[in-house]
Amino acid sequence: DIQMTQSPSSLSASVGDRVTITCRASQDISDYLAWYQQKPGKAPKSLIYGASSLQSGVPSKFSGSGSGTDFSLTISGLQPEDFATYYCQQYDSYPITFGQGTRLEIK
Amino acid sequence: EVQLVESGGGLVKPGGSLRLSCAASGFTFNTYYMNWVRQAPGKGLEWVSSISSSSSFIFYADSMKGRFTISRDNARNSLYLQMNSLRAEDTAVYYCARAMYSSSAKVDYWGQGTLVTVSS
Repeated sequence: DIQMTQSPSSLSASVGDRVTITCRASQDISDYLAWYQQKPGKAPKSLIYGASSLQSGVPSKFSGSGSGTDFSLTISGLQPEDFATYYCQQYDSYPITFGQGTRLEIK
Repeated sequence: EVQLVESGGGLVKPGGSLRLSCAASGFTFNTYYMNWVRQAPGKGLEWVSSISSSSSFIFYADSMKGRFTISRDNARNSLYLQMNSLRAEDTAVYYCARAMYSSSAKVDYWGQGTLVTVSS
């Protein structure tokens, strides 16, 4: 199974900041990586697929990069609604696996 | 508008069974892979199972293999998850999730989830 490791597990930031979350795969997954946002008590929301392509309706403040084993999600100009938990997911091969999540909190 | 509405969750005893349903609308259901993803209380996301548009291809997480069965009824625009031999560790919110067109597990839409609690 492909292991997905996110760092950091939690992150404190202020409104207006720019933050980066990283995700590492235990083997090469090309660009078969997605990012999801989840707020407490809510379903996940799809943000990015193909490592860097934004889902429809997702603002350009979110950006993704990487390929192979190392990936990152960057959020610019943090707003209160961006404070949530973020998950990466590989869909290169079954079983599909998620990172453990990164909780983004307001400083 | 794409909508996915799960139902069928509830309280069940260890060893019991439950069948989850997901009603889909707003898209051509019979052309998309569908998935179940779960989340235990306070934990992260865990993929459960995927099914192709025509049910020809089905995949399960190892811990669910032999106990869970995914199926779909394209005439009813519905996805199902039959869960047998339930354990306490199956307690979770179960999400129905649509994969992007021509993909199997690259999710674009999620349902609101249904809570399954396994407890005596």
